[in-house]
Amino acid sequence: SSELTQDPVVSVALGQTIRITCQGDSLRSYYASWYQQKPGQAPVVVIYGKNKRPSGIPDRFSGSSSANTASLTITGTQAEDEADYYCNSRDSSGNQVFGGGTKLTVL
Amino acid sequence: QVQLVQSGAEVKKPGSSVKVSCKASGGTFSSNTISWVRQAPGQGLEWMGRIIPILGITNYAQKFQDRVTINADESTSTAYMELSGLRSEDTAVYYCARETSSPPLGVVFDYWGQGTLVTVSS
Repeated sequence: SSELTQDPVVSVALGQTIRITCQGDSLRSYYASWYQQKPGQAPVVVIYGKNKRPSGIPDRFSGSSSANTASLTITGTQAEDEADYYCNSRDSSGNQVFGGGTKLTVL
Repeated sequence: QVQLVQSGAEVKKPGSSVKVSCKASGGTFSSNTISWVRQAPGQGLEWMGRIIPILGITNYAQKFQDRVTINADESTSTAYMELSGLRSEDTAVYYCARETSSPPLGVVFDYWGQGTLVTVSS
């Protein structure tokens, strides 16, 4: 079982805002990174560190953290944002661990 | 621009081993950290382990500790992941990814290989 917990499925209306969360004790000490994965493709990082976006990632993606919860927020969700999203951070042994993933459906 | 190119798909028998390669270009290979992540069909991402070539250090997820070996050839900028004792549950896409420190308190997998499908079937 994953030490990072995500809601398996979330949905959002086109153009609306959605927050995807990731819970885990390690998030009290370490930042999460967030990955978008579309079918048949390798994951792509969308947010890392303290709300950093790689070049090419739209600014509608943002990250935040509070206590044991990290959040990925998509403001003004677009159809192309429909994908699986995974959080990642350290586990209790110092190795890396992924959350179980959240499937985002854009209605 | 860093690029990670993995070896091709494999079909293996239960009990055998598989070795997947990941050739890096466009960066300083030795000082990078390369992680391996797998994804079973319809399932999530699972971190397996990492190597820091310049230090010769490896770390493995406890789940794979007894069956996985990760090494690297600095002369060819290639990392390898070998998984032994294969079983049907090991059928998955295996990815290599560059792991970069994201100070002060995190890491990021900023470049990924294209993935290698390993099918374990009798």
